[in-house]
Amino acid sequence: ETGVTQSPTHLIKTRGQQVTLRCSSQSGHNTVSWYQQALGQGPQFIFQYYREEENGRGNFPPRFSGLQFPNYSSELNVNALELDDSALYLCASSFGLAGGGGTGELFFGEGSRLTVL
Amino acid sequence: AQSVAQPEDQVNVAEGNPLTVKCTYSVSGNPYLFWYVQYPNRGLQFLLKYITGDNLVKGSYGFEAEFNKSQTSFHLKKPSALVSDSALYFCAVRDQGVGQAAGNKLTFGGGTRVLVKP
Repeated sequence: ETGVTQSPTHLIKTRGQQVTLRCSSQSGHNTVSWYQQALGQGPQFIFQYYREEENGRGNFPPRFSGLQFPNYSSELNVNALELDDSALYLCASSFGLAGGGGTGELFFGEGSRLTVL
Repeated sequence: AQSVAQPEDQVNVAEGNPLTVKCTYSVSGNPYLFWYVQYPNRGLQFLLKYITGDNLVKGSYGFEAEFNKSQTSFHLKKPSALVSDSALYFCAVRDQGVGQAAGNKLTFGGGTRVLVKP
């Protein structure tokens, strides 16, 4: 069974640039969620993708967008980067909308650490 | 709105002693409750969950958690801590009463750093 994989693991961007982060979901999972974890804080829900459509969104501006592909992998795109976007971005996969057999259990990748200068 | 509070930023315990990490939650309906652990520069690893049934839930690596509805708490416990348990622990909640539109939104606490000393 293949776990959740994310790329790149680390990257540095400058303010105003755009970034794309990628995630491959765990085998058998069809739902992908993205979380932002700022230094010293808990993860914050960005959005979720199910059947290639956004389904549920947290309190993040429209410059945070995403995609899900037919193989259930996903991308997170952030435009017009700001310094506060520096964080660990976590991808989590699950099966079905409620996840984990309806209980919300998520399986996380190792994350992509973004630094905005 | 759902929320989670972890009142302790850090918990220090000697190896072999009991470990408790506190968590309280707020949801409008019945909760799904989770504990995750995060090691340095790593993603989150699932430890255990409470959905329904027994208030005492057993999970990975010898951890357990007790659901207390009246106190809206879900404290994580381990009878005998190991140095390797040193990590960042997150409590999370999802409201059962929210429909599928909420998706997999988990609300996490701010985390508690556990330091187990030899």
